[in-house]
Amino acid sequence: DAGITQSPRHKVTETGTPVTLRCHQTENHRYMYWYRQDPGHGLRLIHYSYGVKDTDKGEVSDGYSVSRSKTEDFLLTLESATSSQTSVYFCAISEDRGFNSPLHFGNGTRLTVT
Amino acid sequence: GQNIDQPTEMTATEGAIVQINCTYQTSGFNGLFWYQQHAGEAPTFLSYNVLDGLEEKGRFSSFLSRSKGYSYLLLKELQMKDSASYLCAVSLNTGKLIFGQGTTLQVKP
Repeated sequence: DAGITQSPRHKVTETGTPVTLRCHQTENHRYMYWYRQDPGHGLRLIHYSYGVKDTDKGEVSDGYSVSRSKTEDFLLTLESATSSQTSVYFCAISEDRGFNSPLHFGNGTRLTVT
Repeated sequence: GQNIDQPTEMTATEGAIVQINCTYQTSGFNGLFWYQQHAGEAPTFLSYNVLDGLEEKGRFSSFLSRSKGYSYLLLKELQMKDSASYLCAVSLNTGKLIFGQGTTLQVKP
């Protein structure tokens, strides 16, 4: 299995507070992604990274920011959490861009915003 | 716009064969992925089709027809552990990847 670790695995936070989720990989893959998964919507891309300090927006990026200061770490920050951001968040990695190579997912972070 | 359709739920019997369909309407189609996701777990890669035809991997096979915008995942000799959600995802030549909502398969004894 691809070495991807997400932390925390579960978090409950209050509306308006900032939250940071961490993704750590040991595969030295260039591409890293943050997805959210909600019933009725499938997996939706929030942000992705194609290298250290190189990031871009996905389809649901509003209210989220990311940072990648090292190849192995990709952080997702909810600047001011809202109830609509209650979701399961998955980090993923891939060997190359173009989505021709499969994604390998972390085990997910279940976030509840009260 | 881009659209992917899969049935929401399916039920099948242990030992049987089940076919999970995925239809898509997209521009710039590049290829199609299938992922398996057990409840509470991460999705895991099953197959990737770029060309028309059937790709077989053990008990699982995946078929693609680019002209019809259609794919299916075929699971043979169903086992209880095959109870999971199956996600269809289309990759576009822009580099974008679009996921369907997934099909939840329940295998009954």
